[in-house]
Amino acid sequence: GESVGLHLPTLSVQEGDNSIINCAYSNSASDYFIWYKQESGKGPQFIIDIRSNMDKRQGQRVTVLLNKTVKHLSLQIAATQPGDSAVYFCAEKGTGFQKLVFGTGTRLLVSP
Amino acid sequence: DADVTQTPRNRITKTGKRIMLECSQTKGHDRMYWYRQDPGLGLRLIYYSFDVKDINKGEISDGYSVSRQAQAKFSLSLESAIPNQTALYFCATSDPPGQPEQFFGPGTRLTVL
Repeated sequence: GESVGLHLPTLSVQEGDNSIINCAYSNSASDYFIWYKQESGKGPQFIIDIRSNMDKRQGQRVTVLLNKTVKHLSLQIAATQPGDSAVYFCAEKGTGFQKLVFGTGTRLLVSP
Repeated sequence: DADVTQTPRNRITKTGKRIMLECSQTKGHDRMYWYRQDPGLGLRLIYYSFDVKDINKGEISDGYSVSRQAQAKFSLSLESAIPNQTALYFCATSDPPGQPEQFFGPGTRLTVL
């Protein structure tokens, strides 16, 4: 069945460092992947997405890499800031309707 | 103003009580979803609706029901709340067909004693 997992439950970094959050997925038929950021007391917020026909996509300070060979997804945050502290979720969408399968989340802690 | 709103934001209730959580959206999206979030389990889909006449069960629908009163409103009911329904509940919307991204409300923290 479908499953999306994360390698690390908590990632601690220093302000200014680059952060890398990893995600493994099991459904090779998934055609779309999203990273969400969830701050305390708030709902998940879209960060960046990538389709399965791409390997890399860049946004503002964020880059998502997709390795379909090993079914691995990563989110890279450049020059991490205290405001980046949150829980980050990856989610995948299989073919067909827009059902998203979410990972369990990684907490990013940024120290000043 | 928030595009997806949820009421109440916090609720404490007792076992056996009927509870309704409400979601409203101003995004004009046809598709709406209810998720439950528990620590260590991520977000799990309870119910979803593609339009006013459409209701579909998600992976954990037992003990819940929903009503899609209008395009903008999607409510979740717990007919007889039990303690293991204590969780964070999120409503989300999406805009087919090309954009799978879902937009989430701020969540409702429900505690069942």
